[in-house]
Amino acid sequence: GAVVSQHPSRVICKSGTSVKIECRSLDFQATTMFWYRQFPKKSLMLMATSNEGSKATYEQGVEKDKFLINHASLTLSTLTVTSAHPEDSSFYICSASRLAGGPHEQYFGPGTRLTVT
Amino acid sequence: GEDVEQSLFLSVREGDSSVINCTYTDSSSTYLYWYKQEPGAGLQLLTYIFSNMDMKQDQRLTVLLNKKDKHLSLRIADTQTGDSAIYFCADSMDSSYKLIFGSGTRLLVRP
Repeated sequence: GAVVSQHPSRVICKSGTSVKIECRSLDFQATTMFWYRQFPKKSLMLMATSNEGSKATYEQGVEKDKFLINHASLTLSTLTVTSAHPEDSSFYICSASRLAGGPHEQYFGPGTRLTVT
Repeated sequence: GEDVEQSLFLSVREGDSSVINCTYTDSSSTYLYWYKQEPGAGLQLLTYIFSNMDMKQDQRLTVLLNKKDKHLSLRIADTQTGDSAIYFCADSMDSSYKLIFGSGTRLLVRP
């Protein structure tokens, strides 16, 4: 199968600190990873598209300096929430597209719940 | 921009069929998807349909696509309590594989 992991699964941090979330494709190479944010009882909102070796493409309204994305290898992308505030509390989900896969070859991680106190 | 809409809630009795509906606005959609999300978990791809198809069946799941009306539905036959979850339809943009998600339909299966 195609497994995507996220770490940590749950994190609580204090306001003003930074938090890094990792997204890994465990058994396949992913040229593209996507980062989503999900508010309670709401849909997933795409934050950014991350391509290996290049800068991420952010969606309109997403602050690139606040949500730093690094896609250093074909199996790892990281999202760093800088100077986190309570309004950044959310469920963050990544997905990974398999190398040379079709549009349906997008696999989701289990999500990371961030709580900023 | 693109928009995908779903009804928010559906309640069915165990053993009945469930039909979850979705409408979308992007006429250039190439693939449409159904995902399942259980509480506190990520998304699991249930099935997808290519835009030139009208129907796709996969065991208990039947997807119907009306491209003219931009309407997609997911039918779950013999719904079980384990099917209780949130179901998202999603629309892909061909050039970038970005997914645009609907708001999700919470399915509750009553024993």
